[in-house]
Amino acid sequence: AQKVTQAQTEISVVEKEDVTLDCVYETRDTTYYLFWYKQPPSGELVFLIRRNSFDEQNEISGRYSWNFQKSTSSFNFTITASQVVDSAVYFCALRDNFGNEKLTFGTGTRLTIIP
Amino acid sequence: NAGVMQNPRHLVRRRGQEARLRCSPMKGHSHVYWYRQLPEEGLKFMVYLQKENIIDESGMPKERFSAEFPKEGPSILRIQQVVRGDSAAYFCASSPRQGPNQPQHFGDGTRLSIL
Repeated sequence: AQKVTQAQTEISVVEKEDVTLDCVYETRDTTYYLFWYKQPPSGELVFLIRRNSFDEQNEISGRYSWNFQKSTSSFNFTITASQVVDSAVYFCALRDNFGNEKLTFGTGTRLTIIP
Repeated sequence: NAGVMQNPRHLVRRRGQEARLRCSPMKGHSHVYWYRQLPEEGLKFMVYLQKENIIDESGMPKERFSAEFPKEGPSILRIQQVVRGDSAAYFCASSPRQGPNQPQHFGDGTRLSIL
């Protein structure tokens, strides 16, 4: 069975600080996909990134970067030079390969950027 | 905007009434997924449908909940005889094809409140 753990329930940082959101996953499958979504106060879900299990290269997109480490089953998300607009709930999710179409979500991390 | 359309955005029902939530997938998408987000929790998979077929309903409560995706028209999530515990945000997602590498595009959700 799949499981996604986001141990940090809430994080607060002062604007311009860097912050890392942790995500640890469990799956029996060798092929799987990992995702991060952002849910701002308005409530919609915004897709941020998808990463497959064969690609362990880290990815950077502007102020966002992701660190995928298969050895520790982690897919952490770092925001550099945080801004108030980054305040949101962030969800990590997992999807596996054996005909199981569903996304398994973590419980989310509420990030508050203090101006 | 040709994204996933959910309506209504907000729905208020009294205990015992029926709630009908609609989801129009993105153009060209024939796969629809419903997720439920209880307050302060992550999203939980409910059901996966293709046109006229339920593929996976492992996350659906056994009673009062049903879903359909007819040949014509939107997908409908129906909750009969609603109770206070049904209060949640219900998200719909769609994808063009089957497969874990296919991205799921989410709608803005329907916030269901039970009085």
